[in-house]
Amino acid sequence: EVQLVESGGGLVQPGRSLRLSCAASGFTFDDYAMHWVRQAPGKGLEWVSGISWNSGDVGYADSVKGRFTISRDNAKNSLYLQMNSLRAEDTALYFCAKSSGEGPTLASYDSSPFFDYWGQGTLVTVSS
Amino acid sequence: QSVLTQPPSVSGAPGQRVTISCTGSSSNIGAGYDVHWYQHLPGTAPKLLIYGSSNRPSGVPDRFSGSKSGTSASLAITGLQAEDEADYYCQSYDSSLSGSRGVFGGGTKLTVL
Repeated sequence: EVQLVESGGGLVQPGRSLRLSCAASGFTFDDYAMHWVRQAPGKGLEWVSGISWNSGDVGYADSVKGRFTISRDNAKNSLYLQMNSLRAEDTALYFCAKSSGEGPTLASYDSSPFFDYWGQGTLVTVSS
Repeated sequence: QSVLTQPPSVSGAPGQRVTISCTGSSSNIGAGYDVHWYQHLPGTAPKLLIYGSSNRPSGVPDRFSGSKSGTSASLAITGLQAEDEADYYCQSYDSSLSGSRGVFGGGTKLTVL
């Protein structure tokens, strides 16, 4: 059974940092790309970042580029999101999602992977 | 402002059919990227509903169907049931100078009257 368990969320002051983790099990972690998706209170889903199986392709939403860093440790079956210079608008429930994609890139014109498994999310609140 | 545009809300009576549109552009859906659909109850994990524009994962009723044409896609739900009341999101990718990046629609709240 595929399981994705996020951790690391909490209350943090604006400008500070936080590191989210996602522990994966039930599948061959280093075969698949992984993503972070968030949902702010009262808002829709927002893609935050993705990383290919070998970390060769990483991508970020414009809203977090330069502040967030995605990484993975295939030996530990874990995905991470380092969040720096946090803002109030980063307050959200952060989901870890497994991609169906096994290719070298997050996606291409002839391969558009979907998110087939999701964690339950970890809540990040940025407030003074 | 989401890259993919969905209607904020749709509604229908039990047994009726509703459709949810997802409009993109030449840098995402129109570029050839597939569209996927998710059903979401706030605070819970989203559930994959349709992948590859028109395919249903195992366990998803055939009341749910998807299609794609040009720069748009749509999700149709027939025989509406109370349990279908949820938020629905389309998802694709957008091509940028730095590669393909994930994008979601703004979401559509389905109300079963």
